[in-house]
Amino acid sequence: DTGVSQNPRHKITKRGQNVTFRCDPISEHNRLYWYRQTLGQGPEFLTYFQNEAQLEKSRLLSDRFSAERPKGSFSTLEIQRTEQGDSAMYLCASSRRGQGVSETQYFGPGTRLLVL
Amino acid sequence: AQTVTQSQPEMSVQEAETVTLSCTYDTSESDYYLFWYKQPPSRQMILVIRQEAYKQQNATENRFSVNFQKAAKSFSLKISDSQLGDAAMYFCAYRSARGGANNLFFGTGTRLTVIP
Repeated sequence: DTGVSQNPRHKITKRGQNVTFRCDPISEHNRLYWYRQTLGQGPEFLTYFQNEAQLEKSRLLSDRFSAERPKGSFSTLEIQRTEQGDSAMYLCASSRRGQGVSETQYFGPGTRLLVL
Repeated sequence: AQTVTQSQPEMSVQEAETVTLSCTYDTSESDYYLFWYKQPPSRQMILVIRQEAYKQQNATENRFSVNFQKAAKSFSLKISDSQLGDAAMYFCAYRSARGGANNLFFGTGTRLTVIP
């Protein structure tokens, strides 16, 4: 169990550019989540995959955001035409489908995005 | 929508003493799960303790325990024998037990400082 990994750890971009983040979940975890955390706030849910299917999207996920999980393994989160308001920590979490509270979400270290 | 409130932005405790972090939540559901996550500075979020709403017995994990008051919708975390390594942001989180609802709702966090 190597844990959830995210790349890059930091990204600085100019407004209007596109950025893509990658998340590698714990192996055999079939569920993957993306959250966004702004300064002084708790993480907010963006989207959720079970295997390769994107099952839920938050209203926070505007049409400039797209997430994929091809083959049900790693996932990418792309932000098009970045805005300064997109500056945040983007967290990925994974879990193995289970019953009740035993299904724990394990978080990665996050990708910190700064849009200038 | 479920909301989670942490009314203490910052708390401090002397090393070896006990501290309690408060959390309240709002939901119309009867079955759900509650979690406390710890986020050390520049490190990833890890699960501290979890509780099923249908269980009356309060969860305990070594020095960490909760006081779950379902009627009051309160879920406080008690840290006994505080250690320097306990210094972190602590987030309370809620997850519905409803099928298909897997995302976590987080509070705004409490920053805990441990004084040597």
